[in-house]
Amino acid sequence: ETGVTQSPTHLIKTRGQQVTLRCSSQSGHNTVSWYQQALGQGPQFIFQYYREEENGRGNFPPRFSGLQFPNYSSELNVNALELDDSALYLCASSLGARQDDADGYTFGSGTRLTVV
Amino acid sequence: ILNVEQSPQSLHVQEGDSTNFTCSFPSSNFYALHWYRWETAKSPEALFVMTLNGDEKKKGRISATLNTKEGYSYLYIKGSQPEDSATYLCAFRGSQGNLIFGKGTKLSVKP
Repeated sequence: ETGVTQSPTHLIKTRGQQVTLRCSSQSGHNTVSWYQQALGQGPQFIFQYYREEENGRGNFPPRFSGLQFPNYSSELNVNALELDDSALYLCASSLGARQDDADGYTFGSGTRLTVV
Repeated sequence: ILNVEQSPQSLHVQEGDSTNFTCSFPSSNFYALHWYRWETAKSPEALFVMTLNGDEKKKGRISATLNTKEGYSYLYIKGSQPEDSATYLCAFRGSQGNLIFGKGTKLSVKP
């Protein structure tokens, strides 16, 4: 059984650029959610995908968008990068959109994005 | 706005000490409370998912309790070891299935 894999691990982008982060969910999981952790904060919910459809979104602007593929892997895209987008981006997978899996959500180790 | 508060923010203990942390969350519209252990440069690892008022869960030397009526959960570590050093996050599960995290408690255990 594989866990959640995120790529790349680190990334440096310039303000105004676009970035795509990738996540491979744990085998058997059909739900992927993305979180942003800024320095000194807890992870903040960006959005969630269930069977290729977005089914929940946090307080993030439309320039944060995503996709989920038939194999349940996912991408997070951020357009028009701002300095405040510098953060650790975490991906988590689970079985079901609202089930309380007794094992919790399975997280990747994150992508560290730096915007300069 | 739903807030999850954790205290203390950080904790330094000696090997063998027992310790506990607090997580406060909204007492209305409760679905579940998650605890995660996060070591530096690794993935957050699920410790417990708690859903019922009065739940008590245990995994080795770590245990947790839940009070949904007053909106708090305690995490206990008995006989702390250096390998317990990590950030401990609690998260309240919202209606969308999203997790609302606290800022975490950073535990350092000195040998």
